Amino acid sequence: QVQLQQWGAGLLKPSETLSLTCGVYGGSFSDYYWSWIRQPPGKGLEWIGDINHSGSTNYNPSLKSRVTISVDTPENQLSLRLSSVTAADTAVYYCSRGRSRYHFDIWGQGTMVTVSS
Amino acid sequence: DIVMTQSPDSLAVSLGERATINCKSSHSVLYSSNNKNSLAWYQQKPGQPPKLLIYWAFTRESGVPDRFSGSGSATDFTLTISSLQAEDVAVYYCQQYYSAPVSFGGGTKVEIK
Repeated sequence: QVQLQQWGAGLLKPSETLSLTCGVYGGSFSDYYWSWIRQPPGKGLEWIGDINHSGSTNYNPSLKSRVTISVDTPENQLSLRLSSVTAADTAVYYCSRGRSRYHFDIWGQGTMVTVSS
Repeated sequence: DIVMTQSPDSLAVSLGERATINCKSSHSVLYSSNNKNSLAWYQQKPGQPPKLLIYWAFTRESGVPDRFSGSGSATDFTLTISSLQAEDVAVYYCQQYYSAPVSFGGGTKVEIK
């Protein structure tokens, strides 16, 4: 049974960098792409970007200038960094496994990140 | 970018009745190479991550009850709950994965009448 466990800071000030990590447990890491997706409070879902085990990435153009997704394959982990955050980046952030790359069958528990001065 | 538009925003259905959610994409999501529509449906309950229900427009995910079904092609899709149960109260999202960036509909909230 594959499980995704997320961790990282939940409260940031404007202009700081968001940093989250997602660990993949109990299944293959190298056979899939792994995405970050966010959801502002009471709103819909926004795909941030994804990565595979070799570090090949694809980002949403709306966030590309501020986003870095990286991978630690030996540890089965992926990380998200989002720079220069503002209140508009306040959201629940999820990591997720992409089957056929882009439909998401397993999700982390979500991390609420609040940006406030 | 492909824009996904869902309707209605919310609906209230009696227990045991049919619920129908519509999803329209701004561009066809039908792959001519394999004749498959790159369209998925998710269910999200409060405080939980989304759960994949259907992919390739009508393929039910393992373990999903058969009262959930997907239909449609190209730009117009439907999620149908044939007989609404109390545990189906949730927000439902469609998602296209035809082209990056993948995108989601705005969601449809399903409640009990």
